[in-house]
Amino acid sequence: DTAVSQTPKYLVTQMGNDKSIKCEQNLGHDTMYWYKQDSKKFLKIMFSYNNKELIINETVPNRFSPKSPDKAHLNLHINSLELGDSAVYFCASSLNRGREKLFFGSGTQLSVL
Amino acid sequence: GENVEQHPSTLSVQEGDSAVIKCTYSDSASNYFPWYKQELGKGPQLIIDIRSNVGEKKDQRIAVTLNKTAKHFSLHITETQPEDSAVYFCASHGSGNTGKLIFGQGTTLQVKP
Repeated sequence: DTAVSQTPKYLVTQMGNDKSIKCEQNLGHDTMYWYKQDSKKFLKIMFSYNNKELIINETVPNRFSPKSPDKAHLNLHINSLELGDSAVYFCASSLNRGREKLFFGSGTQLSVL
Repeated sequence: GENVEQHPSTLSVQEGDSAVIKCTYSDSASNYFPWYKQELGKGPQLIIDIRSNVGEKKDQRIAVTLNKTAKHFSLHITETQPEDSAVYFCASHGSGNTGKLIFGQGTTLQVKP
């Protein structure tokens, strides 16, 4: 019974395509995040939603658009994919915003060819 | 801007030895410092955290120390075991209540049997 689940696990696509990654948490948490991990393992926050409200929006290209239909779901849509978008994308959740333990999903490996 | 420096980037120890990973942070308002362990193909998992009102915290073979004056904190793993092999990330949370964590660059720990 996975706490934070994201799909798909692997995503291989061509440059210029549009793709989505879905994330769901069954922990009853209020806050959800998207992190990007590059090839050097560096983890950087992209977005955070608290109860469907956007609270963190880092300097991410506007080709990336998060959507939170309810507090248990946070999806990531990427338009016009570029080679540099290739990375592992992690969804995470925490009980609420602030200094709380993050629960991470198992990641989506995105490869843009 | 906010920054967390982590050293070393790789660490190899013999089983049973101790391992120490060090981090420094730039934001003097930071007050929450978690450590995450990432195994191959998985998302990061919290292993221990410390808040700014405490100088040291222990959990079995893992301990974290914090020096707020010097703005650095360290992870100590004693009696290392092969299953401790993973990538370890330190992080800091600054002022405000966003849940935004700044991660260090990661340390790949290898414990040789």
